[in-house]
Amino acid sequence: QSVLTQPPSVSGAPGQRVTISCTGTSSNIGAGFDVHWYQQLPGTAHKLLIYGNTNRPSGVPDRFSGSRSGTSASLAITGLQAEDEADYYCQSYDGSLSGVVFGGGTKLTVL
Amino acid sequence: QVQLQESGPGLVKPSETLSLICTVSGGSLSTSYWSWIRQPPGKGLEWIGYIHYRGSTNYNPSLKSRVTMSIDTSKNQFSLKLSSVTAADTAVYYCATYEAYSSGHFFGYWGQGTLVSVSS
Repeated sequence: QSVLTQPPSVSGAPGQRVTISCTGTSSNIGAGFDVHWYQQLPGTAHKLLIYGNTNRPSGVPDRFSGSRSGTSASLAITGLQAEDEADYYCQSYDGSLSGVVFGGGTKLTVL
Repeated sequence: QVQLQESGPGLVKPSETLSLICTVSGGSLSTSYWSWIRQPPGKGLEWIGYIHYRGSTNYNPSLKSRVTMSIDTSKNQFSLKLSSVTAADTAVYYCATYEAYSSGHFFGYWGQGTLVSVSS
């Protein structure tokens, strides 16, 4: 059971917009700790997609965007492409647990 | 760009110590924090801990009693030891760079991961 809650799967057609939610509590996201997102393409290493809630590392397309509000955060992907099919994970810090916490991961399927 | 590669035995016997090494290329260990993360089959990611290049450490409280991390800047490697392993420690183990600031902690670069199974 992961500390942060993500939907197990989402799907969308090419060109569409999808969002992936990440729900936490008052000891992590709600406490003001930032949320970060990772993409894991099949057979590859995890890649940092969004850091500090909304920031994209160099090289990440602006089709990917992040937001945070209250005890939740979201990753939005616009103009969905076949190569976006991957697992996505959210991550934050938990003050009560004194450590990094993750979501369970969301598998994105491009129809 | 920093690249990380995990290495170590793929099979460890119950009650023994799991030992892994992460070799870093494309960057120096003497600049930051370095971390280990694991993912049991079919389950979510779990942060194990981090080590600073000067040797200070911070471990996940749930694993703290069994974890030891060390760093060798001359070899550009850092390592993980997990003692008294059980089947519950079977997982893909990842090493990663670790960034920490006032309101956030995240992992900039990850290794591909290595599967370690605990079985007799």
